Amino acid sequence: GAGVSQSPRYKVAKRGQDVALRCDPISGHVSLFWYQQALGQGPEFLTYFQNEAQLDKSGLPSDRFFAERPEGSVSTLKIQRTQQEDSAVYLCASSILGGDTEAFFGQGTRLTVV
Amino acid sequence: QKEVEQDPGPLSVPEGAIVSLNCTYSNSAFQYFMWYRQYSRKGPELLMYTYSSGNKEDGRFTAQVDKSSKYISLFIRDSQPSDSATYLCAMSESSGGSNYKLTFGKGTLLTVNP
Repeated sequence: GAGVSQSPRYKVAKRGQDVALRCDPISGHVSLFWYQQALGQGPEFLTYFQNEAQLDKSGLPSDRFFAERPEGSVSTLKIQRTQQEDSAVYLCASSILGGDTEAFFGQGTRLTVV
Repeated sequence: QKEVEQDPGPLSVPEGAIVSLNCTYSNSAFQYFMWYRQYSRKGPELLMYTYSSGNKEDGRFTAQVDKSSKYISLFIRDSQPSDSATYLCAMSESSGGSNYKLTFGKGTLLTVNP
């Protein structure tokens, strides 16, 4: 596709509900990243995939957060039993290769937990 | 203390002004330095990317890195209302390590008034 596509753009979840956020990276991009951006803050790293392999999940805040990229393309970030502190914009980015190539960001999914 | 510090502003300037944005960092392993622009409700987009100390110029934008002082800057000349956005500095470690993981500053909100 032309750019990184994320869906839904907005999600409102009741506390305790499970949510799934989708990311379609740029076609052919090997690397995929998830970041969390709280209101008024910079993005914070959550996890990194190279193809289907999750090479780093050190930024996931708790075991309620789970990410997958089973076929090395589309990725899903799942949050179980959502809490109010999970409210943030979740950004997905992709790059052709690794860290010294440009990462292109999607528009993000704004999650509000009520 | 966060690894990357950035004054969040807000910063308001008249059209045509020179804008100076800055970040400091504490991690000596940071070797790649980037500036991203983020419009409201959009994902970050890469403006400038530098590896070494010194200056890099691209049109109205100049990025400056001083590794000895752990200080980076972005200068915008002849600022335009369309430059109004949040500017995020970002950094990553050298190749072979965690070079894929970006550490962002908090972002500086810039408004350029016509």
